Amino acid sequence: EPEVTQTPSHQVTQMGQEVILRCVPISNHLYFYWYRQILGQKVEFLVSFYNNEISEKSEIFDDQFSVERPDGSNFTLKIRSTKLEDSAMYFCASNRDPTNSPLHFGNGTRLTVT
Amino acid sequence: QKEVEQNSGPLSVPEGAIASLNCTYSDRVSQSFFWYRQYSGKSPELIMSIYSNGDKEDGRFTAQLNKASQYVSLLIRDSQPSDSATYLCAASKTSYDKVIFGPGTSLSVIP
Repeated sequence: EPEVTQTPSHQVTQMGQEVILRCVPISNHLYFYWYRQILGQKVEFLVSFYNNEISEKSEIFDDQFSVERPDGSNFTLKIRSTKLEDSAMYFCASNRDPTNSPLHFGNGTRLTVT
Repeated sequence: QKEVEQNSGPLSVPEGAIASLNCTYSDRVSQSFFWYRQYSGKSPELIMSIYSNGDKEDGRFTAQLNKASQYVSLLIRDSQPSDSATYLCAASKTSYDKVIFGPGTSLSVIP
């Protein structure tokens, strides 16, 4: 069964550094999402992306965050200047058609900001 | 802020029993509802989706939706120790809107 693939599985970075989290959605999927989950807390929506542009973003997704689909397969989340509170599990998700296909999640990237 | 609420648990049931998980949502216009299972340190895994009032069964799992009461539930029959996980209720206004997750209910199935 096709999977959403995320790399790296664990990223450690120093406060103030830039990080790029990478995702390869399922190949025939058209809608892409980033969610995050701070340890012990709920899964929070960050941003949705369709047709090479952001469809919706949450209050969390401020100017420090950006997303990009640089080619036909990758979908990236960039955090420009990481803060301690950015430490979380970041999940990429995709679906083909939101009307009849729920989200498929990748295995996540655990980001640790020191 | 529209919310999805769940009892955090932990909910403990003996092996073979029925586990009942409940969820309420505040946005009355929500149309799509989902139950995900999340093992510790892992990503959410879809169990069920439900879009219309009533029951929907899939194997040992039954989802129930009552839009008038803004209530969604998940029943797990013949609970197994492998069902021990956190169960996330999620909702979206329309299929194209973001999916909002509840805080999850921790389920422990005791052998």
